[in-house]
Amino acid sequence: DAGVTQSPTHLIKTRGQHVTLRCSPISGHKSVSWYQQVLGQGPQFIFQYYEKEERGRGNFPDRFSARQFPNYSSELNVNALLLGDSALYLCASSLDGITSTDTQYFGPGTRLTVL
Amino acid sequence: GDSVTQMEGPVTLSEEAFLTINCTYTATGYPSLFWYVQYPGEGLQLLLKATKADDKGSNKGFEATYRKETTSFHLEKGSVQVSDSAVYFCALSDQGQGGKLIFGQGTELSVKP
Repeated sequence: DAGVTQSPTHLIKTRGQHVTLRCSPISGHKSVSWYQQVLGQGPQFIFQYYEKEERGRGNFPDRFSARQFPNYSSELNVNALLLGDSALYLCASSLDGITSTDTQYFGPGTRLTVL
Repeated sequence: GDSVTQMEGPVTLSEEAFLTINCTYTATGYPSLFWYVQYPGEGLQLLLKATKADDKGSNKGFEATYRKETTSFHLEKGSVQVSDSAVYFCALSDQGQGGKLIFGQGTELSVKP
């Protein structure tokens, strides 16, 4: 069975540009969450989507947005890129994303470098 | 708010040594607790989890017991291998927030032959 997939693998952008990252969840999973992992730190929660609705949002500026499609895939958009946005962006999927016992499965991530 | 604190790394051990990585948490509800592992250049893989007090999660020789009285979830392995070299993350998911994991800062483990 295919796991969580993310594209692209690597991305280089310059300050002020816009970026779109994509994620496909495990088949049957309806919840997708996005995390930002800065080098040397633990992942930080950005968004959770379930059935195309935003269920949770972390402490990130409005430059960050996301959406989920009818097939449960998801996009993370970041506008007006800053140097500090350079990080590994991780997508995770889970069955329902409600119960705390629900396990999240992570994709390999997208490495974003902002110059 | 909820938080997770891990022992600082890096931790360097010889092959076959005993491993303990400490993890304590703060949560408002009754969280589930997780250990994830990240190998160089890769995403996170679930190592084990425990969903209620006194539960023991185990996988690949690693174990952790959910201790509500000490709000801890320490990771242990009796005999580490070079292939266990990675970064280990403790995380929690609080009640009703299954899609949101709160992570510790990670502990880098290096095992020497």
